[in-house]
Parts: sequence; structure tokens; C-alpha cells
Amino acid sequence: QSVLTQPPSVSGAPGQRVTISCTGSSSNIGASYNVHWYQQLPRTAPKLRTAPKLLIYDNNNRPSGVPDRFSGSKSGTSASLAITGLQAEDEADYYCQSFDSSLDAWVFGGGTKVTVL
Amino acid sequence: QVQMQQSGPGLVQPSQTLSLTCAISGDSVSSKSAAWNWIRQSPWRGLEWLGRTFYRSKWHNEYAVSVKSRITINSDTSRNQFSLQLNSVTPEDTAVYYCARGMGNTPGSYNFDYWGQGSLVTVSS
Repeated sequence: QSVLTQPPSVSGAPGQRVTISCTGSSSNIGASYNVHWYQQLPRTAPKLRTAPKLLIYDNNNRPSGVPDRFSGSKSGTSASLAITGLQAEDEADYYCQSFDSSLDAWVFGGGTKVTVL
Repeated sequence: QVQMQQSGPGLVQPSQTLSLTCAISGDSVSSKSAAWNWIRQSPWRGLEWLGRTFYRSKWHNEYAVSVKSRITINSDTSRNQFSLQLNSVTPEDTAVYYCARGMGNTPGSYNFDYWGQGSLVTVSS
């Protein structure tokens, strides 16, 4: 079981808005550690997935090249990733990441599969 | 543009040592702002940070508690690469292993902005 909890799946029609939650605790997100988000596209070869790609860093910042359809927020012990204007190419797995002071390690959520209907 | 190219065997026998190498281009393993990480992904453990190496006047290594007794990460400045060794492997160590660059001045701001292509390592006899 992951330290950061995400819903297993969310779905939406093209053009819609979807949100993915990431729930932590007082030793990670609640301790004011930033949350980062990654996108992992579907596998392109048997048994091997594409590497995760940094999508949002420091709660709500996008690296160069990431569309502004992606946005992040954080409040208390939780964070959220929003995708507005959902597109077929957004179908992927999404992971949140933060630091946990109890484990003294960087930790990830269990991942959320986004399906475009 | 930073690129990271992984190499190493895809099959390791139980109780043996898993070894992977990550060659860096577009940055230096001796960078004073980056750190060099190993992360693995499996269906039973999800994404798991294993450890990192970085240079800040001297070399530092930090490891996850879950693998601390079995892991070694080394750097090779002459080849601009770093490596992972995981000893005494069991089938539970079967996973896709990634190398990744870490950036951030504090634990909370630390994120992984460039990743290797991933290496599927199977532990089986």
C-alpha cells in the first residue's frame, strides 16, 4: 500500500475536466513538503512501460513544454492534479510524489489511470 | 537536453547481485546541483525510490531503508555514469528499474526531471 493514496482510475469524455486526488499525512504533504506529478504513457512494448515524465513540480508549476491544460494544487494533507479540455493523448497513468519525513525517503502515490471515453 | 541510457542484464538468479549502469549525457555526474537516483516499479510495490548519489564538495550516498543493507550506488566520473548494485536478490526484486536525475535544494522541492528508458530485471532461476 502506497504512502500517498490516489484513486485507481478516473475517466472523462474529450473536452471534459477531470481531477486526480493525492492524499497523504502529517509526515509528507501535511508537513508542507511539495507535491510533484508524473505522467506515464501506455506501454509501447511487451513488459516495458515508458518512463514517467515530470508533469507538475512544486505543487503547481509546469516544466517547459507541458500544456497549460494540466494544473496542480495543494491544501492540507492533499493535492490534486486537474486536466481540463481532456484529449485522447492524455490517456495515461498519473503519479504524485512527495517526501516523507518518517521514512526519510521520497515516496509516490499508487497511480491513477485516466481513460478518455 | 539531458539523456540517460541504462544498461545491464535482464535476468538475475536468486541470491545473486543485480547490476545496472546509467550513462549520462547533457549533464555531469559531478554536478553540484543535481543528484542521481535509482527508482524501481513493480506491480506489488509501485514506484519505489531506492537511493541516490551526489557530489557537494565530496560524494554522498543516501539509500531507502527498505534496501539499505543490500544496495550500493557508485559514480564513475571518467565515464560520466553511475551504477546500481543490489545484493542477495529475491523474486520480489523483479521490477523495471529506472535511473533518474533529481533536482531540488530541499527534500520537499526534490523531483525527478529526467529518466532513463527503464530496464526490466527478472529475478529467477
